[in-house]
Amino acid sequence: GNSVTQMEGPVTLSEEAFLTINCTYTATGYPSLFWYVQYPGEGLQLLLKATKADDKGSNKGFEATYRKETTSFHLEKGSVQVSDSAVYFCALSDHSNYQLIWGAGTKLIIKP
Amino acid sequence: DSGVTQTPKHLITATGQRVTLRCSPRSGDLSVYWYQQSLDQGLQFLIQYYNGEERAKGNILERFSAQQFPDLHSELNLSSLELGDSALYFCASSPRDSYNQPQHFGDGTRLSIL
Repeated sequence: GNSVTQMEGPVTLSEEAFLTINCTYTATGYPSLFWYVQYPGEGLQLLLKATKADDKGSNKGFEATYRKETTSFHLEKGSVQVSDSAVYFCALSDHSNYQLIWGAGTKLIIKP
Repeated sequence: DSGVTQTPKHLITATGQRVTLRCSPRSGDLSVYWYQQSLDQGLQFLIQYYNGEERAKGNILERFSAQQFPDLHSELNLSSLELGDSALYFCASSPRDSYNQPQHFGDGTRLSIL
């Protein structure tokens, strides 16, 4: 079955550091891939998406590239801010199951 | 603001009781999804409706049921509640029944079973 694996957290960085959160997936066919973010005490917000191989999703300085050859969708940001502290979820959906399959989430802590 | 409205924000009740969670999707969205977020199991898909019809079921217990009404709002009914049902329940919506459209989430209903 489909699955998503994310790096375990928490990830703790200093402000202005480079961020990478790893995400790999297992799926039949060609899924769509998403990153969602959950700020403390809030709901899930779509951060970015990619729907086919080699697509790059980007938003608010975050980027992720859909890599079919490595079945990965790693999240990156060049310079993180304290306000980026949140839990980040990688997710996929495919043509036979429209519901989202979720990774376990990675908690990101940014220290000033 | 995602445009998806969930009520109530918090629910506190006792074991054995029944509750109803309500979701209003974004204007124009026909698909509604329900998810459960718990500490031990993470985020899990429960059920999907599209334009009033059930489309897919995930890990939804038999004690739980849902429906989508003609005005497209949806309700999730949880009955014979157990301590393990304590979780954050999210509703999401998307315009169509498609795997490459992002789902937009409400703020969730936090259910606490005492």
